[in-house]
Amino acid sequence: SQTIHQWPATLVQPVGSPLSLECTVEGTSNPNLYWYRQAAGRGLQLLFYSVGIGQISSEVPQNLSASRPQDRQFILSSKKLLLSDSGFYLCAWSVLGDKGANVLTFGAGSRLTVL
Amino acid sequence: GQQVMQIPQYQHVQEGEDFTTYCNSSTTLSNIQWYKQRPGGHPVFLIQLVKSGEVKKQKRLTFQFGEAKKNSSLHITATQTTDVGTYFCAVQGGTYKYIFGTGTRLKVLA
Repeated sequence: SQTIHQWPATLVQPVGSPLSLECTVEGTSNPNLYWYRQAAGRGLQLLFYSVGIGQISSEVPQNLSASRPQDRQFILSSKKLLLSDSGFYLCAWSVLGDKGANVLTFGAGSRLTVL
Repeated sequence: GQQVMQIPQYQHVQEGEDFTTYCNSSTTLSNIQWYKQRPGGHPVFLIQLVKSGEVKKQKRLTFQFGEAKKNSSLHITATQTTDVGTYFCAVQGGTYKYIFGTGTRLKVLA
């Protein structure tokens, strides 16, 4: 069966420090991978998605970047964190299914607090 | 860009009362999905609707896709405390990406 892992689960970082969040998927090949961010009490904002190794589509211009060095690995990074980067970061995977629809399966999330 | 609005933003109900959340899109949709996020948790897929006017049921949950495929609703009959959470609709913003609605946060009072 397919599983998705995200780490770290929680982290507290000072403003201006770097960030690296990692997501890996097991049990499937060539998944579509996604990073979403959820501010406290708010909705889900799509940050990046990837349909293959090295292919990254950015949805929101900001100080975050994403990389996909391997088929089932997706990394979210920042060189210098801002206060506004605080939030709940969710990785998700999908496989294109019937009628062109993707069903997203989310990881447990990484809760980031920037101080 | 494509916008997806959900109403209401919040809903408090007494246990046993019904609950409905509505999802509205500015454009015609190819399909729509619904997810539930428990407090402190991650979104979990509930269902997908594809056909105009489609109605699907999961126990006490009824999902409906509008005839014009621009809106959808989720209705819960006789809410229970286990129904607490935020319900999101999600629409396809391209072949591979999904745009989530603003969400409706449901609180059930015992």
